[in-house]
Amino acid sequence: GNSVTQMEGPVTLSEEAFLTINCTYTATGYPSLFWYVQYPGEGLQLLLKATKADDKGSNKGFEATYRKETTSFHLEKGSVQVSDSAVYFCALISGAGSYQLTFGKGTKLSVIP
Amino acid sequence: DTGVSQNPRHKITKRGQNVTFRCDPISEHNRLYWYRQTLGQGPEFLTYFQNEAQLEKSRLLSDRFSAERPKGSFSTLEIQRTEQGDSAMYLCASSSGTGGRDQPQHFGDGTRLSIL
Repeated sequence: GNSVTQMEGPVTLSEEAFLTINCTYTATGYPSLFWYVQYPGEGLQLLLKATKADDKGSNKGFEATYRKETTSFHLEKGSVQVSDSAVYFCALISGAGSYQLTFGKGTKLSVIP
Repeated sequence: DTGVSQNPRHKITKRGQNVTFRCDPISEHNRLYWYRQTLGQGPEFLTYFQNEAQLEKSRLLSDRFSAERPKGSFSTLEIQRTEQGDSAMYLCASSSGTGGRDQPQHFGDGTRLSIL
């Protein structure tokens, strides 16, 4: 079956620090990969996606590259801000005709001034 | 775009009672999803509709759970004979019918179910 493994949190960084949140996956076929984010008091929203190997998804300064050889989709940002404090979820969709998102457990990021 | 709306926001009930939640998707979206999230975990898929047709169901969706989308617009999720383990946040999402499965799923704020 499909599964997603994320690095354990919480992660605490100082403003302007470099961020990496590791994500690896197991999937049947060729999955599409996503990062969703949940800001405090808000619903889940899509941050970025990549649909095939070597694609790079990017949004709001965040990037992630679909690495088929290492089955990974690590999230990175060069300089985090306090407003990036949130819970980040790695997710995938895989399987013929499936629209089911499989999520990791989430990583809570806190950025301090 | 008014977003995905879920009601109620919070439901408290006694074990053994039946509960029903409602989800109103974004108006032009024909795909609708239900997920369940417990504390410290990511959302887990329950079921998916395209218009009024229920096309995917998770094995998590036991026979006590039933979901409907009778006219392809709003959806309801009913849990019969609730158990302690049903306590969770129930999330609804919707997505556009064009562009396939890579279209973003837009999530509501969820209904938190607490079983006494």
